[in-house]
Amino acid sequence: DIQMTQSPSSLSASVGDRVTITCRASQSISSYLIWYQQKPGKAPKLLIYGATSLQDGVPSRFSGSRSGTDFTLTISSLQPEDFGTYYCQQSYSLSYTFGQGTNLEI
Amino acid sequence: QVQLEQSGAEVKRPGASVKVSCKASGYTFTYYYIHWVRQAPGEVPEWMGIINPNGGDTKYAQKFQGRVTLTTDTAASTAYMELGSLSSDDTAVYFCARGELLPHLDYWGQGTLVSVSS
Repeated sequence: DIQMTQSPSSLSASVGDRVTITCRASQSISSYLIWYQQKPGKAPKLLIYGATSLQDGVPSRFSGSRSGTDFTLTISSLQPEDFGTYYCQQSYSLSYTFGQGTNLEI
Repeated sequence: QVQLEQSGAEVKRPGASVKVSCKASGYTFTYYYIHWVRQAPGEVPEWMGIINPNGGDTKYAQKFQGRVTLTTDTAASTAYMELGSLSSDDTAVYFCARGELLPHLDYWGQGTLVSVSS
């Protein structure tokens, strides 16, 4: 299976900060990378697909980028509602594996 | 509006099977795939499989092959996930979600807690 390694595992930031979360794939997955946000007791919410495409309705402060097998989720100006756990997921091979998650505290 | 309504929590004994339902509304059921994802307490989500309600084609994660069965009832706009030979490791919240062949999962059910305990 393709392994997805996320960093950091946890992060504390302030409102207005620029926040970056990284995900590295164990092999090439082209741009088949998805980002989700999950809040306690809730289902994950789709943020970004295809590494860089913003899902409809997601604020433009969220963006994604790719460099080889390294992927980045950026929140340009952190808002109070952005707390939660962020997961990357590869959509290249059928196991569709998730990263270990990044817990973001405001 | 698009909604996926899942069946209620289940408590099962080891070795038993569980069947979770997922009723879709607000869109044409056969136009989108249904994915199943589970998440054990405090753990990372885990993709289980996918079904195409238009024809019933399925694909399963290798880990669950032979133990999980995905089905749909298109007349009822409902998808089902049945998992057999349960063990305590299967204690988790099970989610259905709408997507395409790729797991761009834009709408999710509320989750169904399945607890396995002797």
